[in-house]
Parts: sequence; structure tokens; C-alpha cells
Amino acid sequence: GAGVSQSPRYKVAKRGQDVALRCDPISGHVSLFWYQQALGQGPEFLTYFQNEAQLDKSGLPSDRFFAERPEGSVSTLKIQRTQQEDSAVYLCASSSVGGANTEAFFGQGTRLTVV
Amino acid sequence: AQRVTQPEKLLSVFKGAPVELKCNYSYSGSPELFWYVQYSRQRLQLLLRHISRESIKGFTADLNKGETSFHLKKPFAQEEDSAMYYCALSPQGGSEKLVFGKGTKLTVNP
Repeated sequence: GAGVSQSPRYKVAKRGQDVALRCDPISGHVSLFWYQQALGQGPEFLTYFQNEAQLDKSGLPSDRFFAERPEGSVSTLKIQRTQQEDSAVYLCASSSVGGANTEAFFGQGTRLTVV
Repeated sequence: AQRVTQPEKLLSVFKGAPVELKCNYSYSGSPELFWYVQYSRQRLQLLLRHISRESIKGFTADLNKGETSFHLKKPFAQEEDSAMYYCALSPQGGSEKLVFGKGTKLTVNP
């Protein structure tokens, strides 16, 4: 399994609960991205890391969303006080180095359902 | 604003028929365009990108800057082509911050 790994695959949270979603990128990949995919929609960008530095967090929908990648490999997306509108598939992707020929490899996603 | 539009939510064709999945974009600069595919119960994966000008699994896509389009075409569809197809744009010219369309579900009937 050399691909991007995400856990858990499924998460059911009660409204108001905090959740943490994990992403293990491909070993050696410098860039890491989080996307949110609501039902019937395409993935929407949340945030981007290059190594441990969070270079773009313009897509995070509110201050309840927080992402980190402290050692430049594994990343965690945390959602505080979950709301029903947070229900979506959260996708993680990694790529080796940015540039025109860089391919982003996606994980299987974590399906979050807030009840 | 950067936007990718895929006008067809669903597209159904018969095996052996030509298929075209439409994609239009709006972006003021020179974006890089991609097609991603998601087969049933599999992860999203890159199908092709305009910069490489490749034909992958018989699919091609031509960037038309005048019409701001990047339609995906295949002359003879196969049943295994049934999947969700997403057109995406990278404003920085790399794979950072992809902007996706809403996707087109292609069904190829026997």
C-alpha cells in the first residue's frame, strides 16, 4: 500500500462533537491537500501544506476547521463543534513537488456524517 | 473568479458510440486543465492533463482558449469507461489548489 491512506473511512458524529481526520500521504511527498466533497458536488479545496508549512488555508469554511502537519508527513484535519452542513467526504491528496507536471494522488476519503 | 462548469450531470451512451464530456472554465490567466476519473468504489485519479497532450485509455482533450473549453472525447466508448468524470483547473499551472467541476456521470450501456 504505497498510496495515500485516510482514516477513519467512515465517521458518524453527533452535532457539536469534535472530530479528527487523519491523512498519511505517499512517503516523500512534499505537498498535501485537503478537499471537501459534498453530495453531488465536485471536491472543493480546503487547505494546502508544503512540508509542515500551511501555505494556503483560504478554503477552510470557518474557524471550526483546523489542519496541521507538524512533521511534514501525516496530517490531521480537525473539525470542532460539528454541524450538519459539515457532512461530506473529506479527501486528502499528496504530490511530490509542485509544478506543471506534478500529479496529485488522492486517498479514498473519509465520509463524515453529522447527526 | 475561477470556475469550472460541467453542464451535464449525467451522460448515457451505447458501447461503441462516440462520447464527449463537456467542460468550460473561467479564469483570467493561463490555467492548467485536468480530467480526473473516479470508477465505482475507487479513488479519484488523474486521467489526463492538457500540458502532456496524451491520449489515455483512448480519451483525448483539447484546450480551446478562445472558447475556454476542455472537452473530453473518445471515439468509441467501452463499458469500462462508466465512471464519474471531473474536469479541474489549476490556477498556478501546477497541481496545487485544484478547482473542480461538479462532475459528469458517464454510463456506457452494452
